[in-house]
Amino acid sequence: EPEVTQTPSHQVTQMGQEVILRCVPISNHLYFYWYRQILGQKVEFLVSFYNNEISEKSEIFDDQFSVERPDGSNFTLKIRSTKLEDSAMYFCASRRLASTDTQYFGPGTRLTVL
Amino acid sequence: GEDVEQSLFLSVREGDSSVINCTYTDSSSTYLYWYKQEPGAGLQLLTYIFSNMDMKQDQRLTVLLNKKDKHLSLRIADTQTGDSAIYFCAESYGSGNTGKLIFGQGTTLQVKP
Repeated sequence: EPEVTQTPSHQVTQMGQEVILRCVPISNHLYFYWYRQILGQKVEFLVSFYNNEISEKSEIFDDQFSVERPDGSNFTLKIRSTKLEDSAMYFCASRRLASTDTQYFGPGTRLTVL
Repeated sequence: GEDVEQSLFLSVREGDSSVINCTYTDSSSTYLYWYKQEPGAGLQLLTYIFSNMDMKQDQRLTVLLNKKDKHLSLRIADTQTGDSAIYFCAESYGSGNTGKLIFGQGTTLQVKP
């Protein structure tokens, strides 16, 4: 069964460093998302992406964050200058086409900022 | 605004039924979802219900939707120790190209042998 994959599974970085989290959505999906979950808290929406552009972003998704689909398969989340409070689990999700299609989540990348 | 609320913890004995409750605020939600998260793992889609349905059954899972009260529940019959996990209720919010999910804070289900 097709699945969303994410790499790395765990990333440790120093405060102020740039990180890139990678996702490979399901191949025939057209809508892509990033969510994050701070330890013990809710899963929060960060950004949605369709047709090579951001379709919606949350208040969390400030100028330090960016997303890109550099080729036909990868979908990346970049944090330019990480802060301690960026430590969280980051989930990528994708859905096929219609708003009625369900979103499928990857296993997540645990980001630890020291 | 958009908000989803769940109780935080539920403990049951193996073989009993578990009922996890959720309330939401967005009356225009088209789909409501239940996701399961095991320790250290990602979000596994368990089931979902379309907003014009009252009930959906899928093997041991029964979803009930009371649209008037904006209340969603997940019943797990014959709960097993392998069902121990965090269960997230989520509503789809927005239409068209967004369709972001708004999650509750999750209910930790503890199943005692």
